[in-house]
Amino acid sequence: AQSVTQLGSHVSVSEGALVLLRCNYSSSVPPYLFWYVQYPNQGLQLLLKYTTGATLVKGINGFEAEFKKSETSFHLTKPSAHMSDAAEYFCAVSETSFGNEKLTFGTGTRLTIIP
Amino acid sequence: DTAVSQTPKYLVTQMGNDKSIKCEQNLGHDTMYWYKQDSKKFLKIMFSYNNKELIINETVPNRFSPKSPDKAHLNLHINSLELGDSAVYFCASSHAPSTEAFFGQGTRLTVV
Repeated sequence: AQSVTQLGSHVSVSEGALVLLRCNYSSSVPPYLFWYVQYPNQGLQLLLKYTTGATLVKGINGFEAEFKKSETSFHLTKPSAHMSDAAEYFCAVSETSFGNEKLTFGTGTRLTIIP
Repeated sequence: DTAVSQTPKYLVTQMGNDKSIKCEQNLGHDTMYWYKQDSKKFLKIMFSYNNKELIINETVPNRFSPKSPDKAHLNLHINSLELGDSAVYFCASSHAPSTEAFFGQGTRLTVV
């Protein structure tokens, strides 16, 4: 079964600093990978996804992530943090085995932006 | 237009009651899901339907019964509510199983 590990349940960065949120996955087949963002009292919004092709994927709000097969990682980055980036971030991997197709989520990382 | 909408947004009820949460998607997707998010923000799938057929039931108590009258709707009925059922329940849909999912705004259920 696929699984996702997000290192760091809380990450704090200063406004304008680099944002790096870590995600490692376990998958027996080529994975589809996703990052979602959840603002307080809201649903999850897709930031970006990797399916096939280019390993560096760009998403909304200036975020990007790089799929590294050798490291089984899909870390999320943003060059310069804004106050509006404060939210909970979830990495997810798709399960594609027949009869068990679903997204499996990591435990989430709360991002705090320091003014 | 809201893509995935669920009602109600908040639900406060007493232990032992029966309640329903409704979900509708206007994206034309074939697959719909119910996820439960606990107080630590952990998201766990409960059910998945594809073309109105149940394909995933993740060891959820049988007090929880999903119903999909058509591909655009997936409702969740909960019998005999317990304190431990308090959580945020998210409905989601996707074009196909295991592809990117689009989430509703959530229903915060509080059992007192």
